[in-house]
Amino acid sequence: DAKTTQPPSMDCAEGRAANLPCNHSTISGNEYVYWYRQIHSQGPQYIIHGLKNNETNEMASLIITEDRKSSTLILPHATLRDTAVYYCIVRVRRYKLSFGAGTTVTVRA
Amino acid sequence: ETGVTQTPRHLVMGMTNKKSLKCEQHLGHNAMYWYKQSAKKPLELMFVYSLEERVENNSVPSRFSPECPNSSHLFLHLHTLQPEDSALYLCASSQDGRSDRGLGANVLTFGAGSRLTVL
Repeated sequence: DAKTTQPPSMDCAEGRAANLPCNHSTISGNEYVYWYRQIHSQGPQYIIHGLKNNETNEMASLIITEDRKSSTLILPHATLRDTAVYYCIVRVRRYKLSFGAGTTVTVRA
Repeated sequence: ETGVTQTPRHLVMGMTNKKSLKCEQHLGHNAMYWYKQSAKKPLELMFVYSLEERVENNSVPSRFSPECPNSSHLFLHLHTLQPEDSALYLCASSQDGRSDRGLGANVLTFGAGSRLTVL
């Protein structure tokens, strides 16, 4: 019951910015968008979340469109250690975040 | 110890065995979660405890039995499992806020997972 759509995979050159798109056209007005990533066989790691405004932290930036139907996660300077599956998530109900298939990002030297 | 710790990291069991997975969080959170991740499938929410009360049970078979004795510890008791139950079992915790606002609400911290193989 994932409520987000992401490309299945993308490649990125080391040192360049990686822009990961996500569509969430059915998002409601008070739902946050969350981004997590999962490096092979490890637990998912929280990256960032936002509601309406763009957000930035030490890991990434999150750009949310004005209509909130899509967002982009930006990794400013990708490294080989950023190779992972990236999940764009909205909440289905109070305690349930809907994890879809995510985007497999491969950073190449 | 910091964050969310899961033990054991790897477990192999027969279908007639009884075993338990343990999760401990050192973050002062008041909600804890069990997720299942099968090969090439999205994460599936199994159980959620908030303030030691079970608040989510997503049609999980009774051969999986959760226990939350306090806000820092969560167990998943396993008995008479099937080979298709082989998966990565992930524990997470969060600070359950009263509303959706605030940085603490629904930001989950995951453990490294317990890799279960059922023979």
